Amino acid sequence: VQLVESGGGLVQPGGSLRLSCVASGFNFNSYSMNWVRQAPGKGLEWLSYITSTSSTIYYADSVRGRFTVSRDNAKNSVWLQMNSLRDEDTAVYYCAKVGGPYGVDYWGQGTQVTVSS
Amino acid sequence: QSALTQPASVSGSPGQSITISCSGTSSDVGGYNYVSWYQQHHPGKAPRLMIYDVSNRPSGVSNRFSGSKSGNTASLTISGLQAEDEADYYCSSYTSSSVWVFGGGTKLTVL
Repeated sequence: VQLVESGGGLVQPGGSLRLSCVASGFNFNSYSMNWVRQAPGKGLEWLSYITSTSSTIYYADSVRGRFTVSRDNAKNSVWLQMNSLRDEDTAVYYCAKVGGPYGVDYWGQGTQVTVSS
Repeated sequence: QSALTQPASVSGSPGQSITISCSGTSSDVGGYNYVSWYQQHHPGKAPRLMIYDVSNRPSGVSNRFSGSKSGNTASLTISGLQAEDEADYYCSSYTSSSVWVFGGGTKLTVL
């Protein structure tokens, strides 16, 4: 299993970024995916969930209305569109495979997002 | 979606056993047998799944790691501590909102 995130970087408050995650080594179109982030010196925070068919999507309260998750099974890819970014969105963002109701079984290496003027 | 409660730090000497607690509510830890534990050696590096479904170990995880649950509190026990076990540990639980919540993390120091 390999999950490779990209798209992070430095963005000003109020700006937007689109994170990408390309998956390999498993049957991507059979698994739900999560996005999780980790702010500097902080713990893990679950952000978003999308089922294998995109039929069900959930967001954490902290990002609902600003972030949008999507996927394309033909491209083995999942994205996180982040709008109206705030200083507190600064974090390493992880794409993660959902192994079952218990949550994540595999994680990507993460991509750094820094929101600063 | 309040974070689960973990001790900020625990420590132990090589060969000893330690236990990390993870306290939640009846809407998460107490309501489901879907607690998992993750090891992260460095912040910003990918965590690793160590325990799932409260007490199951994925293939490749040492049997020195074990998990349990009583009521609204789950626990991770590491026996025969080794230097390589020094890391941050996070618990996670499925919730009644059909999403997941993590604990604040516990820093394990091997003395």
